Amino acid sequence: SQQGEEDPQALSIQEGENATMNCSYKTSINNLQWYRQNSGRGLVHLILIRSNEREKHSGRLRVTLDTSKKSSSLLITASRAADTASYFCATDTLIYNQGGKLIFGQGTELSVKP
Amino acid sequence: NAGVTQTPKFQVLKTGQSMTLQCAQDMNHNSMYWYRQDPGMGLRLIYYSASEGTTDKGEVPNGYNVSRLNKREFSLRLESAAPSQTSVYFCASSDWGRAYEQYFGPGTRLTVT
Repeated sequence: SQQGEEDPQALSIQEGENATMNCSYKTSINNLQWYRQNSGRGLVHLILIRSNEREKHSGRLRVTLDTSKKSSSLLITASRAADTASYFCATDTLIYNQGGKLIFGQGTELSVKP
Repeated sequence: NAGVTQTPKFQVLKTGQSMTLQCAQDMNHNSMYWYRQDPGMGLRLIYYSASEGTTDKGEVPNGYNVSRLNKREFSLRLESAAPSQTSVYFCASSDWGRAYEQYFGPGTRLTVT
């Protein structure tokens, strides 16, 4: 079963607007990661937030983590048409010797219109 | 560095045929993974290899086998393909030194008729 559930499943905005995607998960985690997938391509790592962190920034990306609510959000500010992609959260769960196994959510499909 | 490479990019099989998907990484990572991605779904882990010489089942291992040939290479074999295995397959690698951030290959689009 999927660990992460993402909301919304699809999001359509205008260029320049902010996009917010949410992820909820079920079990305790070491870290939570966000990935982007352009159509027909492999996933690309965007940002990682550890379980003892609450907020992290990278360029136009801002990630928050609330371990008490088992949820995370990804904010993309001043979106561009090139941000059009699917975005996935993935959790690295607290299971010994799992070799960094990640469990992915179903993704949010973001469309940024010029 | 090429990163993670996968071959082939596309493949069409008939039901019952077998094939092996190849994956190689040149980043000296210890861990490697095989996922499948179906329309509208996230990635589901088929098998993974935490280190050279070890392999473990993921969420959806039935119908697949894997071989960790050496540190660089991790192959996925379909012994008797079924239409339910029509999917896009991704290989990835990671290492504990980077908190298991995963690097993905470009994918193999497999159709089983």
